[in-house]
Amino acid sequence: DTEVTQTPKHLVMGMTNKKSLKCEQHMGHRAMYWYKQKAKKPPELMFVYSYEKLSINESVPSRFSPECPNSSLLNLHLHALQPEDSALYLCASSQVVLPMIVTQYFGPGTRLLVL
Amino acid sequence: AQSVTQPDIHITVSEGASLELRCNYSYGATPYLFWYVQSPGQGLQLLLKYFSGDTLVQGIKGFEAEFKRSQSSFNLRKPSVHWSDAAEYFCAVGATMDSSYKLIFGSGTRLLVRP
Repeated sequence: DTEVTQTPKHLVMGMTNKKSLKCEQHMGHRAMYWYKQKAKKPPELMFVYSYEKLSINESVPSRFSPECPNSSLLNLHLHALQPEDSALYLCASSQVVLPMIVTQYFGPGTRLLVL
Repeated sequence: AQSVTQPDIHITVSEGASLELRCNYSYGATPYLFWYVQSPGQGLQLLLKYFSGDTLVQGIKGFEAEFKRSQSSFNLRKPSVHWSDAAEYFCAVGATMDSSYKLIFGSGTRLLVRP
C-alpha cells in the first residue's frame, strides 16, 4: 500500500480564520513533506520532517505552522492567510535512507481557497 | 546549482501515436531522477525512477525513460498514447540537503491527446 491520504479535499477560509490540513500515511515512512502548488506550476517544497523533527523549512511565512505529532501524521496549521496563499497543498512521504535518495509518495492534495 | 528543464510547455499528440517528453537536468553528482504524472486537481503519481544500473527504465502505464549522462537527459517515452494519458508530466531530480533531501521539479509539460 503506497497511499498518502489528505483531508479535507477542499477548504475555503477567510483571512481571519484558523484551519488545519491533515496528512496521514501508514507505510512506515519516517520523512514527510508539505508542498505548495500554484496553478500551472510545479510543486514547491515548504517543509520536511525527518523522524518527527523539522529538518527543512524553505523560508515559509509564519502564518503556516507545520506539526508532526507522530510518525504517521503531519498537520499544517493555517492562520491569517492571504488570498495569494490559495493553492493546492500536497503532502508526501518517504523512507529515510540518507545519503540515498528514495521515492516520495504524494497524497491527492487539499485545494485551498482564501477569500 | 541543481536544476531541471522541461523545454516543452505543451505537447499535443494523436491517440495511438508515439510520445517523447524531454527532460534535462543539471546536477553535480550521480542524479536520482523521477517522472511524475498529475491529472487535473490531483496529486502526483510516480511513473518511474532512475537511481543506478540499466539506463533504460520501465514504469507504469507503458512508460519508459532513458538516462543519458552524456546529454544530461532523462526523456520519457511511450510507444502508443491513450486518451487517458492527457495530464501534466513533471521530471524531477533528488538533491540532498543537510539531514534530508528535496525534489527539484521541472516546470512541467502538459500533454494533450487528440482523438
